[in-house]
Amino acid sequence: KNEVEQSPQNLTAQEGEFITINCSYSVGISALHWLQQHPGGGIVSLFMLSSGKKKHGRLIATINIQEKHSSLHITASHPRDSAVYICAAPEMYQGAQKLVFGQGTRLTINP
Amino acid sequence: EPEVTQTPSHQVTQMGQEVILRCVPISNHLYFYWYRQILGQKVEFLVSFYNNEISEKSEIFDDQFSVERPDGSNFTLKIRSTKLEDSAMYFCASRGQGVEAFFGQGTRLTVV
Repeated sequence: KNEVEQSPQNLTAQEGEFITINCSYSVGISALHWLQQHPGGGIVSLFMLSSGKKKHGRLIATINIQEKHSSLHITASHPRDSAVYICAAPEMYQGAQKLVFGQGTRLTINP
Repeated sequence: EPEVTQTPSHQVTQMGQEVILRCVPISNHLYFYWYRQILGQKVEFLVSFYNNEISEKSEIFDDQFSVERPDGSNFTLKIRSTKLEDSAMYFCASRGQGVEAFFGQGTRLTVV
């Protein structure tokens, strides 16, 4: 059973700061999801990555498969980045796959 | 860009009533999921569905819950007799042959 842990649980920063959110998981995986959840509750997929690094705009995700660890970075943070960021790892069961979610990191960017 | 759509976005129901949450997955996807998130808690797995049958279900997914893919496009979650503790955000997701899952925007279910 995969355990997914995120840190920090809450993060408040000033506009422009560089943000790092961490995710650790217990069982080796093929890929990891980073998701964003806005106050209305909807989930948006940001990244799925299986190795190295991915970049999309000001968001960068890295993963170290050997260390079972991933990070999400936000450069030049902006108040519109305020949201809950969630990592999720796949868990296989008899050929089927489901996602196991971290508890989320609530990010608040103040102007 | 193809997307997973869920309806309704918000449903309020009386305790004991049946509710059906609807999802239209991405059309060529093969694997379908329901997850839920109780307010303030983690998103948790309910059920996965493949080849017209349940492939895995969690201990939350008891006899009050059922899923169906009635017409090859919709994927529904039915709760037969809702309880207060069923109040949550319910997310549908679908996946093709790859690893990446795509999520709907969720249905917020409020049981009163």
